[in-house]
Amino acid sequence: KQEVTQIPAALSVPEGENLVLNCSFTDSAIYNLQWFRQDPGKGLTSLLLIQSSQREQTSGRLNASLDKSSGRSTLYIAASQPGDSATYLCASPPGGGSQGNLIFGKGTKLSVKP
Amino acid sequence: EAQVTQNPRYLITVTGKKLTVTCSQNMNHEYMSWYRQDPGLGLRQIYYSMNVEVTDKGDVPEGYKVSRKEKRNFPLILESPSPNQTSLYFCASSFYPGTSNEQFFGPGTRLTVL
Repeated sequence: KQEVTQIPAALSVPEGENLVLNCSFTDSAIYNLQWFRQDPGKGLTSLLLIQSSQREQTSGRLNASLDKSSGRSTLYIAASQPGDSATYLCASPPGGGSQGNLIFGKGTKLSVKP
Repeated sequence: EAQVTQNPRYLITVTGKKLTVTCSQNMNHEYMSWYRQDPGLGLRQIYYSMNVEVTDKGDVPEGYKVSRKEKRNFPLILESPSPNQTSLYFCASSFYPGTSNEQFFGPGTRLTVL
C-alpha cells in the first residue's frame, strides 16, 4: 500500500532563498507523482505532474524531480517570494490499480519572510 | 475558464438533515472523485466515478452517497449527516486516469455538522 510522507511539516525561509521540499513514498512502482499548492481556505492548485518514466519537470521557478529507486521526489523552488507561502502537498496513486485515487502526504507549510 | 466548481462553499447543518454538495467540471473529464481533508489525517478519497453511471467506493465511503447521471456533474450526498462528517470536502476531476493525467481540484466545501 502506498504511503506518502513529507518532511518537514513546516519551513520558514527568508525571501530570495532557494529551497527544497521533500516527499517520500513507499511503493517504487509509482504511476506518477503530482505536486499541489494549497492556500489557506482555498482549494488545491496543481503545480507539476511527473510521470513514472520521467526524472523531472519544470514550470517557471519550480522544478520537481522523481527518483523511484530511492522512493523520493523533491520540489525545488528558486528565488523564493512571500507569495510562495502556502502548504505544499505531494500525492501519488497506489500501485497496482485505482490510479485515480491519490494518496497524499500531510504537506509542508512554507512561510517566506520578506 | 477550465475549472471544477463546488457549491455551497460553506455549510452549517444539524445532525440528520440530508444535504447535497454539488460538483461540476467543464473540461469533459471522465474521472471525478470526492475527498475529505481533516487535520492530522490529510486528504482521503470518499468515492470516485470512472464515467457516467459508474461509481465506486474510495477509502472512507461510510455515510456518503454519490451519483453520476451526467458527465460534468458528481454530487455528494449525506443522507443523515453526523458530527464526524464535519470536514473540508474537495471534488476533483481528470481525464481517464493515466500516467500523464493531472487531477484538478475544486475550491472546497467547508461543512460543519452540529
